[in-house]
Amino acid sequence: GGIITQTPKFLIGQEGQKLTLKCQQNFNHDTMYWYRQDSGKGLRLIYYSITENDLQKGDLSEGYDASREKKSSFSLTVTSAQKNEMAVFLCASSIIGGANERLFFGHGTKLSVL
Amino acid sequence: GQQVQQSPASLVLQEGENAELQCNFSTSLNSMQWFYQRPGGSLVSLFYNPSGTKHSGRLTSTTVIKERRSSLHISSSQTTDSGTYLCALERTEGADRLTFGKGTQLIIQP
Repeated sequence: GGIITQTPKFLIGQEGQKLTLKCQQNFNHDTMYWYRQDSGKGLRLIYYSITENDLQKGDLSEGYDASREKKSSFSLTVTSAQKNEMAVFLCASSIIGGANERLFFGHGTKLSVL
Repeated sequence: GQQVQQSPASLVLQEGENAELQCNFSTSLNSMQWFYQRPGGSLVSLFYNPSGTKHSGRLTSTTVIKERRSSLHISSSQTTDSGTYLCALERTEGADRLTFGKGTQLIIQP
């Protein structure tokens, strides 16, 4: 089996800071995703990538950058943290991407902005 | 509007009771998935691309694509079943990504 590792697990930032979240997977999956989970709002897709160096915008891409440096890693940058922002950012991967493929998730990075 | 609607928003049961969770879609779909999220934990895929009825232990997923609905049945619930259950759909058009519902929070009391 494989694993998805997200770092850090907890991230506390200041308003206006640029914050970077990292995700590594050893499934050798092609597609990786970044989701944001807010209380009462479910998961919303920020960015996804179908292969190395590919980047596709999701529904919530404004305010974020992402980078697929290599097949196994996908990083997400909050370009300017918003005051009192609190959310969980979840990284996921799948073999190809689509309903016939099972998604595997990391444990998430919990973000708090002071 | 919300493309994926889950009900109920939360459900509290006694251990041993059966749980029934619903997911309704307002748009055409290719397929859908059910996920489980333990408090503070990652999501685990329970059923993916289910059509008709599928079983996994005490879990049963019943999906009727034409009627745009799916249900998740948990029989003889246990306290360890507590958590959030999310359904997600893959739309028939657009890129290969999932749209998630807000989830049902299930609490099983001993």
